Amino acid sequence: DTEVTQTPKHLVMGMTNKKSLKCEQHMGHRAMYWYKQKAKKPPELMFVYSYEKLSINESVPSRFSPECPNSSLLNLHLHALQPEDSALYLCASSQGGVGRFEKLFFGSGTQLSVL
Amino acid sequence: ILNVEQSPQSLHVQEGDSTNFTCSFPSSNFYALHWYRWETAKSPEALFVMTLNGDEKKKGRISATLNTKEGYSYLYIKGSQPEDSATYLCAFGNAGKSTFGDGTTLTVKP
Repeated sequence: DTEVTQTPKHLVMGMTNKKSLKCEQHMGHRAMYWYKQKAKKPPELMFVYSYEKLSINESVPSRFSPECPNSSLLNLHLHALQPEDSALYLCASSQGGVGRFEKLFFGSGTQLSVL
Repeated sequence: ILNVEQSPQSLHVQEGDSTNFTCSFPSSNFYALHWYRWETAKSPEALFVMTLNGDEKKKGRISATLNTKEGYSYLYIKGSQPEDSATYLCAFGNAGKSTFGDGTTLTVKP
């Protein structure tokens, strides 16, 4: 299995809703990432988990809450989002941690719309 | 904030044409330079990791070169095919904190 699987593929939520995005990989990778991508912009790093511990938080607002229950699973919990949070949320993993030579394996993303 | 720039923003070529595009990055404190291909409705796919000045990598008809002293990398596609149509992203990598360029969107017309 060489895939990173993200669910759901599409999500529409209101500003008062609580929802979660899920990301799963079974390649034994030790680092997992959340990126946010707005239309026609490059992906922006949000969080990195390395060996199941949060190692990088790029000053993301607290309405986004990451969770790494085990080495194969990464969640992003969403609460009280704003319309400007509408974007494609990409999950990625890398084999040996967050080393600079590690290439990223991406999921196909969750397209989020906040109404 | 790292400045990673890609040019051109978009490119339209005929099938069979060879093409190339550029990624520019800070020439100081180089770590690694990654190239990704992102086809519409699919996941970004890693093409190359470039680590040393003068690196040249090749995968089929696609190749890449790296000049860390002047801060640029070129991606070449020889004999473009319609299936090469995608957005090509470069990322300047630093211990897991990859800064992506805006990408070059290539369209290959049959």
